[in-house]
Amino acid sequence: QKEVEQNSGPLSVPEGAIASLNCTYSDRGSQSFFWYRQYSGKSPELIMSIYSNGDKEDGRFTAQLNKASQYVSLLIRDSQPSDSATYLCAVRPSGGSYIPTFGRGTSLIVHP
Amino acid sequence: DVKVTQSSRYLVKRTGEKVFLECVQDMDHENMFWYRQDPGLGLRLIYFSYDVKMKEKGDIPEGYSVSREKKERFSLILESASTNQTSMYLCASCPNPNEKLFFGSGTQLSVL
Repeated sequence: QKEVEQNSGPLSVPEGAIASLNCTYSDRGSQSFFWYRQYSGKSPELIMSIYSNGDKEDGRFTAQLNKASQYVSLLIRDSQPSDSATYLCAVRPSGGSYIPTFGRGTSLIVHP
Repeated sequence: DVKVTQSSRYLVKRTGEKVFLECVQDMDHENMFWYRQDPGLGLRLIYFSYDVKMKEKGDIPEGYSVSREKKERFSLILESASTNQTSMYLCASCPNPNEKLFFGSGTQLSVL
């Protein structure tokens, strides 16, 4: 069973701080990595995708991938209350399967 | 704009009823998925389809079946609904393995 692990949280940060969300995965050959945001009662929506080692930045969001250590993280700079949501990590494994495996999500609370 | 439409936002059914959940996408995507989401358990894959009339079991197919007669439509069928199938059901589609999933708005099913 290929696994994706996330700390369920909640992770609580003050407004304006950096929120750091982490995800580890078991399949060393995994190819594609995705971060989705899910507001309560809504469906997931993609924030970032990353495919190669290193950092990828998009506005206040930075995804970091380290394939040797098998982890991917999401940094949210200048966190806002509107960032309060559950963040889902998804990993597409190796071996020809293109079905992404989702972590259980980390709940983020940004308090004013 | 990309769209995945699920026929019902809320549904209440009785134990033993046959239940149909419909999903339609307008993006000509090859791949479609059905997930269920329960608190603390994250997204779990029920079935997916990579082409018309093709289907593959996901992690929790028991008690469910699917139908994909046309490319744009993927239906989830609960043959005889049970109370443990009360859940949020999410349909998704994607064009190819390295692309993100596009999610529908979800169907909250209650089986009484």
